[in-house]
Amino acid sequence: DSGVTQTPKHLITATGQRVTLRCSPRSGDLSVYWYQQSLDQGLQFLIQYYNGEERAKGNILERFSAQQFPDLHSELNLSSLELGDSALYFCASSPHPGGSDTQYFGPGTRLTVL
Amino acid sequence: GQQLNQSPQSMFIQEGEDVSMNCTSSSIFNTWLWYKQDPGEGPVLLIALYKAGELTSNGRLTAQFGITRKDSFLNISASIPSDVGIYFCAGDTHFGNEKLTFGTGTRLTIIP
Repeated sequence: DSGVTQTPKHLITATGQRVTLRCSPRSGDLSVYWYQQSLDQGLQFLIQYYNGEERAKGNILERFSAQQFPDLHSELNLSSLELGDSALYFCASSPHPGGSDTQYFGPGTRLTVL
Repeated sequence: GQQLNQSPQSMFIQEGEDVSMNCTSSSIFNTWLWYKQDPGEGPVLLIALYKAGELTSNGRLTAQFGITRKDSFLNISASIPSDVGIYFCAGDTHFGNEKLTFGTGTRLTIIP
């Protein structure tokens, strides 16, 4: 158990809909990272927040957005969903703003878009 | 998005055998990381490498940071059933850069 929690574990929705994925980092970790894992694209970094502020951006679509709240939990919002958005979405947390080797991954949310 | 090339894509071995896999990139990396992902779970960090030529062990696992800084290798000795899973390499182009680039994964299966 990494200490990172993600909810929900599974999500099934329809094209065009909007969903929110939630992540609670390990106790004391200030950084939260979001990743997308799909069969054809592998594991892709989406975005990082550190202590409430956006810190780094990766291959995140404009239809996707995220935020980190004062209690340090983070939410990833996916809108106008398409079939290709079906994937595993992982959250990772780290105590540091730039700790690539100290990222602890959550169990993921499996999103299925029908 | 960018990906690292990892090989082999899959391996079928018998318990007790040694395993080798590698990861190559067209770009130079300053940090190489190796992760293992079990079904239904997130990746777990196995080994982190910080210097070209560095050889680091973690139990039966040994990883090396290639001297060209464009590749890395992971070896698992005397494999056991719990080694089953998907192994990913990941690279970091800058020290402390958050933007990890992941490999395509090597799926390890142990044949009884």
